[in-house]
Amino acid sequence: DTEVTQTPKHLVMGMTNKKSLKCEQHMGHRAMYWYKQKAKKPPELMFVYSYEKLSINESVPSRFSPECPNSSLLNLHLHALQPEDSALYLCASSPYGSYEQYFGPGTRLTVT
Amino acid sequence: SQQGEEDPQALSIQEGENATMNCSYKTSINNLQWYRQNSGRGLVHLILIRSNEREKHSGRLRVTLDTSKKSSSLLITASRAADTASYFCATDDDYKLSFGAGTTVTVRA
Repeated sequence: DTEVTQTPKHLVMGMTNKKSLKCEQHMGHRAMYWYKQKAKKPPELMFVYSYEKLSINESVPSRFSPECPNSSLLNLHLHALQPEDSALYLCASSPYGSYEQYFGPGTRLTVT
Repeated sequence: SQQGEEDPQALSIQEGENATMNCSYKTSINNLQWYRQNSGRGLVHLILIRSNEREKHSGRLRVTLDTSKKSSSLLITASRAADTASYFCATDDDYKLSFGAGTTVTVRA
């Protein structure tokens, strides 16, 4: 299995909802990432997990809560989001010792 | 945070022509990478060039790196309709990728 999968593909949520995004890879990669991408902009790094531990948090608001239950799975828990949080959320992974990242197809999030 | 600029912002070419895009960055780098993104989907890694390399080829792709000018270029030769996408350069710093603004390439049949 050489891909990163993300579910759901699309998500619409209200500002009071709680939802989660899921990312999975079975390539044995030890680093996993969450990015946020607004329309016509480059991806912006949110979080990095290395060996299942959070190693980088790019000053992301606490309404975004990442979780790495095991080496293959990465979640992003969402609560009390704002309309400006609407974006494409991308997950990526990379093998140990490599800087090349493998991206999932993304979750298109709309906050109403 | 965004590392640098890419130019042009958009490029429209005929199938079979070459496409060249440039990337400038601000700080010293370990590696520079290029990624492709098809309309609203995930990014695909194209090529990585190390700071001590000046040129690298992969299929129809040619990447150059000039660390003295803090710039890189990506050349796609003999373009195809399937090359229509956004192209991003990215510098890496201890597993953090910082992307340029991107170049949108449209290949006309």
